[in-house]
Amino acid sequence: AQKVTQAQTEISVVEKEDVTLDCVYETRDTTYYLFWYKQPPSGELVFLIRRNSFDEQNEISGRYSWNFQKSTSSFNFTITASQVVDSAVYFCALNNNQGGKLIFGQGTELSVKP
Amino acid sequence: NAGVMQNPRHLVRRRGQEARLRCSPMKGHSHVYWYRQLPEEGLKFMVYLQKENIIDESGMPKERFSAEFPKEGPSILRIQQVVRGDSAAYFCASSGYRATDTQYFGPGTRLTVL
Repeated sequence: AQKVTQAQTEISVVEKEDVTLDCVYETRDTTYYLFWYKQPPSGELVFLIRRNSFDEQNEISGRYSWNFQKSTSSFNFTITASQVVDSAVYFCALNNNQGGKLIFGQGTELSVKP
Repeated sequence: NAGVMQNPRHLVRRRGQEARLRCSPMKGHSHVYWYRQLPEEGLKFMVYLQKENIIDESGMPKERFSAEFPKEGPSILRIQQVVRGDSAAYFCASSGYRATDTQYFGPGTRLTVL
């Protein structure tokens, strides 16, 4: 079965703190794709990153970084020096290469307080 | 390059009425997906379509729901005889050449059933 687990339902931090959002996935496929999306209070879904199962290199984009570890089936997301504008619900998702379906985790609601 | 467009953004229906949700994919995209986000829940896949074909409808409720993506015009998600439990945000996404490509989401349609 394919499954994505985001164990942290809510996280609250103070501005400028670093924060890591956890994502653990389950799949039997050897080829798969992992994604992170951001849903700000306005409600739209914003694409952040796509990673395929053969690329375990960590990625950094400004204050955002992602740590992909196949050994622990995790694809964690870190925001460095968080800002109030980072407040949103963040979703991790899996595409197991058997069609287009994205399997989403339950989401982590991040609140960054000034 | 316009993003994924959905209309209406908000839709109010009374129980028993029909709801029609429209989605125009990004220019050049031929894959369309519909997801539903119920209150306090994550995003759930409903259906995956290409032009004139339903590829995967494993997430569609068996009754009252249908989807199409005609040769010309937007994709339509149709809900007949709506009930209060259909109240949710419905998101459309599109991707390019492959089903495993990044899915870009529209702003969503918030359906309220009175």
